[in-house]
Amino acid sequence: EDQVTQSPEALRLQEGESSSLNCSYTVSGLRGLFWYRQDPGKGPEFLFTLYSAGEEKEKERLKATLTKKESFLHITAPKPEDSATYLCAVQAYSGGGADGLTFGKGTHLIIQP
Amino acid sequence: DAGVIQSPRHEVTEMGQEVTLRCKPISGHNSLFWYRQTMMRGLELLIYFNNNVPIDDSGMPEDRFSAKMPNASFSTLKIQPSEPRDSAVYFCASSLAGRVEQFFGPGTRLTVL
Repeated sequence: EDQVTQSPEALRLQEGESSSLNCSYTVSGLRGLFWYRQDPGKGPEFLFTLYSAGEEKEKERLKATLTKKESFLHITAPKPEDSATYLCAVQAYSGGGADGLTFGKGTHLIIQP
Repeated sequence: DAGVIQSPRHEVTEMGQEVTLRCKPISGHNSLFWYRQTMMRGLELLIYFNNNVPIDDSGMPEDRFSAKMPNASFSTLKIQPSEPRDSAVYFCASSLAGRVEQFFGPGTRLTVL
C-alpha cells in the first residue's frame, strides 16, 4: 500500500525565515511525486511534479527536491502570502493510464509579518 | 480558461436524504477523479474514470456511494442514503491524456445533520 507522511504537521515562521517541509513516501513504483498548495476553503493548487531521484524544480520562493525515499519543499525568504497548507502526493505505476493520487495530510504553514 | 467546476459549493442535508454532487472537468481532459477530504483522514481517492469508464472504485466507502460519468463533460457522485459521517469536502479533479498532473475543483462542502 502506498503511503505518504509529511512533517511537520504545522510550522510557524517569521517573514524571511527560510525552512524546509518534508515528505516521506513508500510506493511500489513511483510514477510521479506532486506538491500542491491549498488555501482555506479552496481546492488544491498544483505546484510541481518530480519524476526521479535527484530532480529539482523551482517556482518563485519554492524549490522541490526528490530522493528515493523523500521529497523536500524548500521555502526561501517566505512572505505572508506563502501561508497555506502544502500537500505532497504520489502516483504509482499501474501499467495503464492515469491513476489516483495518494496524499499526505499536509503541512500547515504560517508566515508571520 | 475555465477550471474544474463543481456544484453545489455547499450542501446541508438531513440523515437519510439523497445527495448528488456534480462535476464538469476541464475541457479536453479525459480522466476524472473524485476525492474526499476530512480532518482525520486527509484527502482520499474515491473513484476515477478514464475516457468516461470507471477504472478503480476501491476507495468508495460503501454501497451507499455511487458515481457516473455519462459523457466527457459531466460526472456525478451520489450518496443514498446520507449519514452524518459522510460530512466532508468532496473534490473533483481532472487530467489530460498522457499527463500526470491533476487539477482540482473548488470542492463541495457536505454537511449531513
